[in-house]
Parts: sequence; structure tokens; C-alpha cells
Amino acid sequence: AQKITQTQPGMFVQEKEAVTLDCTYDTSDQSYGLFWYKQPSSGEMIFLIYQGSYDEQNATEGRYSLNFQKARKSANLVISASQLGDSAMYFCAMRESGGSNYKLTFGKGTLLTVNP
Amino acid sequence: KAGVTQTPRYLIKTRGQQVTLSCSPISGHRSVSWYQQTPGQGLQFLFEYFSETQRNKGNFPGRFSGRQFSNSRSEMNVSTLELGDSALYLCASSLYGTEKETQYFGPGTRLLVL
Repeated sequence: AQKITQTQPGMFVQEKEAVTLDCTYDTSDQSYGLFWYKQPSSGEMIFLIYQGSYDEQNATEGRYSLNFQKARKSANLVISASQLGDSAMYFCAMRESGGSNYKLTFGKGTLLTVNP
Repeated sequence: KAGVTQTPRYLIKTRGQQVTLSCSPISGHRSVSWYQQTPGQGLQFLFEYFSETQRNKGNFPGRFSGRQFSNSRSEMNVSTLELGDSALYLCASSLYGTEKETQYFGPGTRLLVL
């Protein structure tokens, strides 16, 4: 079974509108971290936001917020007031604590295109 | 603080050759991880080092190896290159490598095998 599932290969949004990128995960660990990264065409992975499994509040970082629903195992990224520069690939990732994982497991990504 | 740096940024090799990629983590970070990104397989974990010890290895053949030095800088080596090794290789660092820490990535090394 896939550990991280991003069901939207591509998304389009109008500039200044909000957009939600979906992410569901699968783990049996109690302690884990969920991350969202942005990858522009240049290739660099840019960290956006982190949510810990024990965090009771949804994480927010500027225009980015994470809609964390633990029981449903979902961690959707919400980008408010989209900008043209937000056009990029977005990856959801998880880091588990069980065993000696010490690795990020990534979803396949969602390509976001912001239209003017 | 300076970010994660990777050298070289671009590399062209031919089949059968070997290659060494370098990664310098953020100052103070002791955990360094390597990932391979290809259009077909996406992002895949290669290995992770902490205090010069490999703590985890992904499902890659033995041609892929790495090491970490006492200053936390890391290198990965790919021997007997194959066409399928063409990829973006990303290095990431964090303090201790726990699930509560963010991994910060470098700009990557684009390897093309001809």
C-alpha cells in the first residue's frame, strides 16, 4: 500500500483564489511528521509547512495552512490568495518514527498551475 | 545560515563510468539524507547518515554507496553507471533526523548518463 497518496496529478487555480491540494497517508506509528514541499522547475525542494502527529492545532505558515484530519489520515495543503509564483510541483511527505526509518516518504506530487 | 549545498550541479557521464556527488549540510546539522528523483519512479530514498554512520538504506543496488565525514559533509558514489541512473539527486539535512524535524534540501545534482 502506498504510504502517501496525492490523488490530483494536476490542479489549476486563478490568481488570488485559494486552492486545496489533497494528501492522505498510511502509518501505524503514533508519532510521525507530515511535510509539504514545493518544487519549482529549477528542481530545488522548498519546505513549506510541517504538522506533527500530536499537534492539536492545524499548522499555518503565511499563506499556507494544513488541514490536518488525523482520524481520516489526511493532511491537505491550503494555499490562500494564489500567486503566479506558486506554479510548481507540490509534494506531501511523511517521516515516521518506528524502527530506524529516518527517511521521508513522498507522494507522487501535484502540479499546480496558477492562471492570471 | 547558509543552506544545503551540492556539487556539482550538473554532470554528464557515460555508461560504465562512476560518479561522486557531494553534499554540505546546514551548519550544525548532523543527519544527511540522499534521494533520487526520476519522472518514472518519483522521489526515492537512497540512504541516511548520522555521525558518520549509515542508519538506513533504501532499495537500491550496491552500486549506490555513500559516506559521511566528521564535519557532516556527505558524498554518494554510483559505480558502473547505467542509463537508468539519470536523475536528479537531492541531498537533505536536519539536526538529528527525527520525525519532528524538517529536512532542508539542497538544489540537487542533475546527472545525465549517456
